[in-house]
This record gives sequence, structure tokens and C-alpha cells, in this order.
Amino acid sequence: DAKTTQPPSMDCAEGRAANLPCNHSTISGNEYVYWYRQIHSQGPQYIIHGLKNNETNEMASLIITEDRKSSTLILPHATLRDTAVYYCIVRVEYRAGTASKLTFGTGTRLQVTL
Amino acid sequence: DTGVSQNPRHKITKRGQNVTFRCDPISEHNRLYWYRQTLGQGPEFLTYFQNEAQLEKSRLLSDRFSAERPKGSFSTLEIQRTEQGDSAMYLCASSLGRVFRNTIYFGEGSWLTVV
Repeated sequence: DAKTTQPPSMDCAEGRAANLPCNHSTISGNEYVYWYRQIHSQGPQYIIHGLKNNETNEMASLIITEDRKSSTLILPHATLRDTAVYYCIVRVEYRAGTASKLTFGTGTRLQVTL
Repeated sequence: DTGVSQNPRHKITKRGQNVTFRCDPISEHNRLYWYRQTLGQGPEFLTYFQNEAQLEKSRLLSDRFSAERPKGSFSTLEIQRTEQGDSAMYLCASSLGRVFRNTIYFGEGSWLTVV
């Protein structure tokens, strides 16, 4: 699976948008971009994933550049409860329906402040 | 949807003892994963099952570790002769394993402290 690069930490004021970048310059055509977050002492929580189109759900938006070499996770109105480590992961999904395991890096520690 | 359930949530054991963790995946999920996470690190893959078949094992899974999923539903992870270096959070996850439905969902983890 392609490796990803994320900043180790970021701060965001409560109520503002949090924009978390991820670089995956070696991504291949059948690799999806997944985002998870992990709040202290809890299991990782799935946020969103996409292949090449921008995606939005109730938690966040995912913006993938046209060349797919980078992406940004957007939390539109960050709250204190969004303080967590955010992981950007690229993962192969095969036509047969199977997919590779998730390989975690060290992620970005997002601190939301008052 | 009851989510992925792990038991026990916390376990303190003496060095040399055996411990077993149980994972109940989301209903109908045929893929089940085990990960380990130490402080300050991201989760590390240990092994995964497709139904009852164990299809991949990490080099991290030493001979003291054994995972089973006998009926393709719940799974157990046993650590024999525990060492202090085994202290970590053990995470279980599951996925449906179908086209466009491969999202992996994690449980809350089982914390192991070896004293």
C-alpha cells in the first residue's frame, strides 16, 4: 500500500473548520483514501473514504486532488470532542471485492481549543 | 447494529501467565482483524480471518500468540507466557468484505498490562 505523509500535529479553534492534509504521492489507481480518527484510549473510528471524487458525509468532507496525490479532510465546525489523532490511510480494493488491510502511520494529532 | 465487541476491556496479569481476549464482530461481517497498539504509536496489524480461515499473519505474531475463529463468528486471541513487552491495547475489527462494502470497523479495544 502507498505510504502517506501527515503533519504530526495541528490546532484548531472551536467552531472553525479543521483542514487536515495528507500526502500520498505514490498512490495507485485501485487505492482508496481512508480516514480514521482515534480519541484517547478508544478504538479507531471510521470517518470517510474516497477514490477520486470528493465525498461528504455527516462527519466530514474529503477533498482529493485531481492527480490523487494528496487529499484534505475537512471537519466543517470543529468541537472539543473532535480532539483526536487522525489517520490518513491508502488501501487497495480489488475488483473481486476484497481489500487490503489497513496500515496505520502515526497520524495527525488535532487539538481543538476554546 | 451492536458494533464490534471486545472482552475483557482491561486485563492485568503477572508475567508468565496466559491471557485470552474475545472479539465479537458486527453480525454478517466475514472478515475479522486483530491489531495491537502501544502508547504513542498507530495500530499495528497482527492477523486477519476470512470466515474461519486465517489468511495472513504479521511477523509481530510470535509463537506465543494464537488467534482462532472456529465457526467464522467470534474470535479469540490468546497470549501464552506473557511478557512485559506484551502490554498494549489489542484491537479487533471487522468488515463485510464485499465489493464497495469493505469499510473496517473497530471495537473499543482490550487493554493488557503485564506486571
